[in-house]
Amino acid sequence: AQKVTQAQTEISVVEKEDVTLDCVYETRDTTYYLFWYKQPPSGELVFLIRRNSFDEQNEISGRYSWNFQKSTSSFNFTITASQVVDSAVYFCALSVRGQNFVFGPGTRLSVLP
Amino acid sequence: DTEVTQTPKHLVMGMTNKKSLKCEQHMGHRAMYWYKQKAKKPPELMFVYSYEKLSINESVPSRFSPECPNSSLLNLHLHALQPEDSALYLCASSQVSPQGGRTDTQYFGPGTRLTVL
Repeated sequence: AQKVTQAQTEISVVEKEDVTLDCVYETRDTTYYLFWYKQPPSGELVFLIRRNSFDEQNEISGRYSWNFQKSTSSFNFTITASQVVDSAVYFCALSVRGQNFVFGPGTRLSVLP
Repeated sequence: DTEVTQTPKHLVMGMTNKKSLKCEQHMGHRAMYWYKQKAKKPPELMFVYSYEKLSINESVPSRFSPECPNSSLLNLHLHALQPEDSALYLCASSQVSPQGGRTDTQYFGPGTRLTVL
């Protein structure tokens, strides 16, 4: 069975601090996909990134970066120089071919001015 | 800007009412989804349509009735709901891979906040 753990329920940082959101996943399949979504207070889930299990390259997109490590089954997300607009709930999700998305419980990030 | 739209944004209904939630996507996706999300919880899958056919029903009560009139539209018909059905209802769409898997990125709409009195 698949499982996603986001151990941090809530995180508060002050604007301009860096923050890392942890995601640990479990699956026995060798082919799988990992995702991060952002859910601001408005409610919509905004897609941030998709990574397949064969691509362990880290990715950077502006202030966002992702660290995928198969050895520790982790797919962590770092926001550099956080801003108030980054305040949201962030979900990590796992998908195995033919199966539904498995979402983690989410991490609520509050960026204080 | 999202290419998945949902109407209405907010809905308040009584337990005897009949209402419908609507979802539309313009990305040419052939898989569409309904999720239910309670406060401080992740989304829970309700239904999946693939090529306009219902492929997954996650043991959802019959008071929720999905419909996929065409590849761009997805409806969720509501009847005789209970107060515990109050939640955010999210629609999503994705491509379907050649092998038929649904591991492609799901794109979500803004959701409908439903309150059942």
